[in-house]
Amino acid sequence: DIQMTQSPSSLSASVGDRVTITCRASQGISNYLAWFQQKPGKAPKSLIYAAYSLQSGVPSKFSGSGSGTDFTLTISSLQPEDFATYYCQQYNSYPLTFGGGTKVEIK
Amino acid sequence: EVQLLESGGGLVQPGGSLRLSCAASGFTFSNYAVSWVRQAPGKGLEWVSTINNNGGNTYYADSVKGRFTISRDNSKKTLSLQMNSLRAEDTAIYYCAKNEGQWLAPFDYWGQGTLVTVSS
Repeated sequence: DIQMTQSPSSLSASVGDRVTITCRASQGISNYLAWFQQKPGKAPKSLIYAAYSLQSGVPSKFSGSGSGTDFTLTISSLQPEDFATYYCQQYNSYPLTFGGGTKVEIK
Repeated sequence: EVQLLESGGGLVQPGGSLRLSCAASGFTFSNYAVSWVRQAPGKGLEWVSTINNNGGNTYYADSVKGRFTISRDNSKKTLSLQMNSLRAEDTAIYYCAKNEGQWLAPFDYWGQGTLVTVSS
């Protein structure tokens, strides 16, 4: 199975900050990497697929990069609605696996 | 507008069974794979199972293999998850998710989830 490791597990940031979250795969997954946002009590929302492609309707302040084993999600200017938990997930092979999540909190 | 509406969750005793359903609308259901993803209380996301667009291929997480069965009815635009031999560790919110393609593809839309509680 492919293990997905996110870092950090949590971070505190201020409105307007640039935030970067890292996701590492235990083996190469090409660009078969997705990112999701989840707010408390809500279903996950799909943000990015194929490592850097934005899902429809997702604002351009979100961006993704990487290939192979190392990936990043960047939020260019953090806004109050961006405080949430973010998950990466590989879809290179079954079983599909998620990272442990990164909780972005208000400083 | 794509909508996924789960139902069937509830309280069940260990060893019991439950059947979850997901009603899909707003897209051509028979063209896409669909999946179940769960989230235990206070924990992260865990993929459970995926079925391809025509129902001919299924995959399961090791944690549910042999106990859960995924199925779909393309005529009714419905996804199901039959859960048998339930354990306390199966307690979670179960989300239905649409895949962007016919088989191994990213999720693009999610339902609101249905809570399954396994407890005596």
